[in-house]
Amino acid sequence: SQQGEEDPQALSIQEGENATMNCSYKTSINNLQWYRQNSGRGLVHLILIRSNEREKHSGRLRVTLDTSKKSSSLLITASRAADTASYFCATREYGGATNKLIFGTGTLLAVQP
Amino acid sequence: DGGITQSPKYLFRKEGQNVTLSCEQNLNHDAMYWYRQDPGQGLRLIYYSQIVNDFQKGDIAEGYSVSREKKESFPLTVTSAQKNPTAFYLCASSMRVQETQYFGPGTRLLVL
Repeated sequence: SQQGEEDPQALSIQEGENATMNCSYKTSINNLQWYRQNSGRGLVHLILIRSNEREKHSGRLRVTLDTSKKSSSLLITASRAADTASYFCATREYGGATNKLIFGTGTLLAVQP
Repeated sequence: DGGITQSPKYLFRKEGQNVTLSCEQNLNHDAMYWYRQDPGQGLRLIYYSQIVNDFQKGDIAEGYSVSREKKESFPLTVTSAQKNPTAFYLCASSMRVQETQYFGPGTRLLVL
């Protein structure tokens, strides 16, 4: 089963507003990654945060990680219409035997111009 | 989409037919992966390969087969044993298994 669960499933905002998406997971992780997928396209890696990090920034993106709550959030500031996409979190289990990423079900973000 | 290509973009399969999806990368990555994505869902791992001539089953390997004869190529065959093959198939690669994955543009498989 999917380990990551994103919340909300869908989000609609106006251009210029901030968008926040949340991800919860179940087991101990080595790192957590966020990916973006435009409709009908492959995924693009956005940012990786390690289990010993609490916050990370990349341009207009801010990711937080709370390992005690097994949750992460992705904040996109000053959103643009081009940010419209699905956003997925993916976790890599700590000590996992299969060396795989486990993806959540995604948040569909629509930014209205 | 980086240096990973997938072909074809759309593929149609008839009942009882095996079809092969192509994935090629020129990133000199050791590890390659195949995922399946159903509408409104996340990705599920079908197979992955850490190095040439080696591959491991993922969560949903039944009805699929792969080969890794060359570092650059990791084709996926959807066999007639896969009863519900309609999905979007994504290939990815990474320098090593633990590192960031880079995705191809995907192949959409439809059953006639």
